Amino acid sequence: DGGITQSPKYLFRKEGQNVTLSCEQNLNHDAMYWYRQDPGQGLRLIYYSQIVNDFQKGDIAEGYSVSREKKESFPLTVTSAQKNPTAFYLCASSISPDSGYTFGSGTRLTVV
Amino acid sequence: RKEVEQDPGPFNVPEGATVAFNCTYSNSASQSFFWYRQDCRKEPKLLMSVYSSGNEDGRFTAQLNRASQYISLLIRDSKLSDSATYLCVPPGFSGGYNKLIFGAGTRLAVHP
Repeated sequence: DGGITQSPKYLFRKEGQNVTLSCEQNLNHDAMYWYRQDPGQGLRLIYYSQIVNDFQKGDIAEGYSVSREKKESFPLTVTSAQKNPTAFYLCASSISPDSGYTFGSGTRLTVV
Repeated sequence: RKEVEQDPGPFNVPEGATVAFNCTYSNSASQSFFWYRQDCRKEPKLLMSVYSSGNEDGRFTAQLNRASQYISLLIRDSKLSDSATYLCVPPGFSGGYNKLIFGAGTRLAVHP
């Protein structure tokens, strides 16, 4: 079955450490997105990519980095520059925005 | 004015009730709209897509008023399983790319 897979489901990060969240899709979607959700809050866009080897900053890109070397993969790195990284991270993909997004099941990141 | 605003709720309704959520948007170029459902600690899932003046799917009806830049979601005969947060989503535009902008959501609690 086609879908979008995020891993790991739970991730713990020590202060000053970089961590990478994985997002893989086999839906043949061109566009992929990373959102952050804090408790009781809406989704905020971190980065998005419309095609391979191209990506754009979203509303809260500081402290994050991404790559899009393959159509299927859009990993997100949370760097030590992100001072408050504890949140629920959601990856999504779409064939076009008019068709809506498909979300992965998310990664919960906690700083310890 | 925010790009999308939702009635935050929570809406506490008994089983069998009819409930309506509202959503206003400021991007007048929006062509299509979505309602997503998000269960606690889960990813959002597409509930309805709206491409014209409205859409109906069983107990759910979404309506659009382009002149007032307003959409609504009506749920009839509420079930306990309808308890969730409902996210309103009009498309947005940034730097030539389309991207979805999510409202903060309306929380619904259906009780026996």
